Amino acid sequence: DGGITQSPKYLFRKEGQNVTLSCEQNLNHDAMYWYRQDPGQGLRLIYYSQIVNDFQKGDIAEGYSVSREKKESFPLTVTSAQKNPTAFYLCASRLTGLGYTFGSGTRLTVV
Amino acid sequence: QKEVEQNSGPLSVPEGAIASLNCTYSDRGSQSFFWYRQYSGKSPELIMSIYSNGDKEDGRFTAQLNKASQYVSLLIRDSQPSDSATYLCAVNPIVFNAGGTSYGKLTFGQGTILTVHP
Repeated sequence: DGGITQSPKYLFRKEGQNVTLSCEQNLNHDAMYWYRQDPGQGLRLIYYSQIVNDFQKGDIAEGYSVSREKKESFPLTVTSAQKNPTAFYLCASRLTGLGYTFGSGTRLTVV
Repeated sequence: QKEVEQNSGPLSVPEGAIASLNCTYSDRGSQSFFWYRQYSGKSPELIMSIYSNGDKEDGRFTAQLNKASQYVSLLIRDSQPSDSATYLCAVNPIVFNAGGTSYGKLTFGQGTILTVHP
């Protein structure tokens, strides 16, 4: 079955540590996205990529980095520069003009 | 002004009633519109998409689009307790970049929490 897979489901980060969230899709979608969701604040765009080896900053890119070396994969690294990383992270993909398909999300907590 | 605004909730309706969820958007050139349902602790799920003025029906769901008024709504008929969730409106504005137009990203509203009580 085609879909978009995020891992891990839960992630704990220590102060000063970088962590990487995985996002893989087998839908043959060109575009992929990372959103952050905090309670009461809706979805905020971190980064997005419309083709391999190219990506653009979203509204809250500071403290995050991404890569798009393969069409299927769009990992997100939360760096130590992100001071408040505790949130629900959602990866999505789409074909142009259609709606997003979301992964099941990664819940990141700072310990 | 927010780019996509949804009616403030939470919205509470009795089982069997019609739930009406509203959304306005600021970019007059927006071309495609989506409604997502998100259960607590889960990721959003696409339930309706609409691209042209008028109504689009899918089972108990009806999406309504009025581009002149920059307004899109979702009606849920015969509401069930299982419909209790947060509903997100998403709009695809036209973004102009150096290479021409780009239809790359959706803009989401804040969401409306719907509760259907027995």
